[in-house]
Amino acid sequence: SQTIHQWPATLVQPVGSPLSLECTVEGTSNPNLYWYRQAAGRGLQLLFYSVGIGQISSEVPQNLSASRPQDRQFILSSKKLLLSDSGFYLCAWNRAGGPTDTQYFGPGTRLTVL
Amino acid sequence: AQSVTQLGSHVSVSEGALVLLRCNYSSSVPPYLFWYVQYPNQGLQLLLKYTSAATLVKGINGFEAEFKKSETSFHLTKPSAHMSDAAEYFCAVSGNTGNQFYFGTGTSLTVIP
Repeated sequence: SQTIHQWPATLVQPVGSPLSLECTVEGTSNPNLYWYRQAAGRGLQLLFYSVGIGQISSEVPQNLSASRPQDRQFILSSKKLLLSDSGFYLCAWNRAGGPTDTQYFGPGTRLTVL
Repeated sequence: AQSVTQLGSHVSVSEGALVLLRCNYSSSVPPYLFWYVQYPNQGLQLLLKYTSAATLVKGINGFEAEFKKSETSFHLTKPSAHMSDAAEYFCAVSGNTGNQFYFGTGTSLTVIP
């Protein structure tokens, strides 16, 4: 069966510090991968998605970036965090293919920028 | 372009009462629709999905949703609310290629004992 991991689970970082969040998927190959952010009391905002190694599409211009160094690894980064980067970050995957393929979510990372 | 609108950001029901969470979609092509549930500080879990088969879709935890093309709706229902149903619920529609999902803004369900 497939599983998706995210770490760390929680993170408290000062403004201006760098960020690296990691997501890995097990039990499948060539998945589509996604990063979402959920601000307090708000819905899901798609940040990045990837259909393959080194292929990243950005949905929202910001100080975040994403990379996919391996088939089942997706990394969210920032060089300098802002207060507005606080939120709940969710990684998701689905099978490459048609529109009926469900997205499966990881447990999330709670980021607090102080 | 696809999008979904969830009416009511907060819904409160009494334990044992009917749960009705509303979702309307906008799509230029046949839509594929999903309902997810999110418990506090957790990821999203799929409740059910509509993929153009039966219009009445049954999901986990006693939830179901009915696809109504004439009303462009995909409302989520459960006959009898349980305390454990308290959570955030998201409706979503997928894009043509499956590379993107479009989520609603979510509905927070409170169950009153």
